[in-house]
Amino acid sequence: EDQVTQSPEALRLQEGESSSLNCSYTVSGLRGLFWYRQDPGKGPEFLFTLYSAGEEKEKERLKATLTKKESFLHITAPKPEDSATYLCAVGNQGGKLIFGQGTELSVKP
Amino acid sequence: DGGITQSPKYLFRKEGQNVTLSCEQNLNHDAMYWYRQDPGQGLRLIYYSQIVNDFQKGDIAEGYSVSREKKESFPLTVTSAQKNPTAFYLCASSIDGLGEQYFGPGTRLTVT
Repeated sequence: EDQVTQSPEALRLQEGESSSLNCSYTVSGLRGLFWYRQDPGKGPEFLFTLYSAGEEKEKERLKATLTKKESFLHITAPKPEDSATYLCAVGNQGGKLIFGQGTELSVKP
Repeated sequence: DGGITQSPKYLFRKEGQNVTLSCEQNLNHDAMYWYRQDPGQGLRLIYYSQIVNDFQKGDIAEGYSVSREKKESFPLTVTSAQKNPTAFYLCASSIDGLGEQYFGPGTRLTVT
């Protein structure tokens, strides 16, 4: 069964304190791993797509990496505006996205 | 501006009433999706459509219905058969049904 598990469920950081979010997955035929940011009461905002192990993508303070079993979203020197829920999803052979439950990030000034 | 619109943002209904949620996209995407999001749970797929006049059930289709008569539009009807309809509903689209999906702002439905 295709499955995505994100950890931790919640993460509290001080401004400037770097950390990483984890996304572990099992999928029959990976068709991409996707990271999204979701603010309260809003739709998810697309961040990155990773397709193969070893691939990395960066955007401002965020960097996503991918191995054969997991992906990490590294946050360098976060700011309060980075506070959000970060969702991970994998695409399977059927063309569906399987989502994890998300990591709620809070960055305090 | 290209994007996905959902209306209304908030919707209130009484039990036993059917309600239709709107989703429109002007991205010229072939595929469209409906998800449901509940607190503490990941997004769950209700229905999806890879092409006009065709759609498939997702993981939690019971109590819902859709139509795809136009490429730009994918309305979702929440019927009275849906046991727990109160939730945040998200519509998404993708270019070809294989890559990343782009989401609308969502509709929060409350049924009392």
